[in-house]
Amino acid sequence: AIQMTQSPSSLSASVGDRVNITCRASQGIRNDLGWYQQKPGKAPKLLIYAASSLQSGVPSRFSGSGSGSDFTLTIGSLQPEDFATYYCLQDYKYPRTFGQGTKVEL
Amino acid sequence: EVQLAESGGGLVQPEGSLRLSCAASGFTFSDYWMTWVRQAPGKGLEWVANIRRDGTTIYYLDSVKGRFTISRDNAKNSLYLQMNSLRAEDTAVYYCARDANYYDAGNYYDVFDIWGQGTMVTVSS
Repeated sequence: AIQMTQSPSSLSASVGDRVNITCRASQGIRNDLGWYQQKPGKAPKLLIYAASSLQSGVPSRFSGSGSGSDFTLTIGSLQPEDFATYYCLQDYKYPRTFGQGTKVEL
Repeated sequence: EVQLAESGGGLVQPEGSLRLSCAASGFTFSDYWMTWVRQAPGKGLEWVANIRRDGTTIYYLDSVKGRFTISRDNAKNSLYLQMNSLRAEDTAVYYCARDANYYDAGNYYDVFDIWGQGTMVTVSS
């Protein structure tokens, strides 16, 4: 199975900060990668697909980049509602695999 | 409104069985693949299984193969997960999600774009 490794596992940030979360695949996955946001007690929410395409309705402060095996989720200016856990997910091969998550804390 | 609603979770003893259901509304259920994702308490997300629109193609996580069966009834707009020989490590919130194909720059991408609220499965004696 393709392993997805996120870093950092957690980070502390302030409102207005620029935040970068990275995801590395154990093999090349083209740009078959999505990013999901999950708040405590809630279902995940799709933010980015195809590594860099913004899901409809998601604020433009979220952006994604990368291809091959290295990917980045960037939050341009952190807002109070962005404190959450973020997961990458590869859809290149079965089984689908998530990263272990990155918790963004105040 | 596009919605998914899981049901059927609960407490079950090791080696027991449970059947989860996921009711879909607000979209044409038969047009979409569907997937199950789980999350153990305090842990990350883990993809479990998915099923093609017509039920003819199915994929499973290795650790559930032979124990779990995903199925669907398009006439009832419903997705199911039959879980047998349950183990403590199957304890998790189970989410159903719509497994959509998004088209972008000449390629298709699988995305989980609609999620249910989840149902808790606890395997314990």
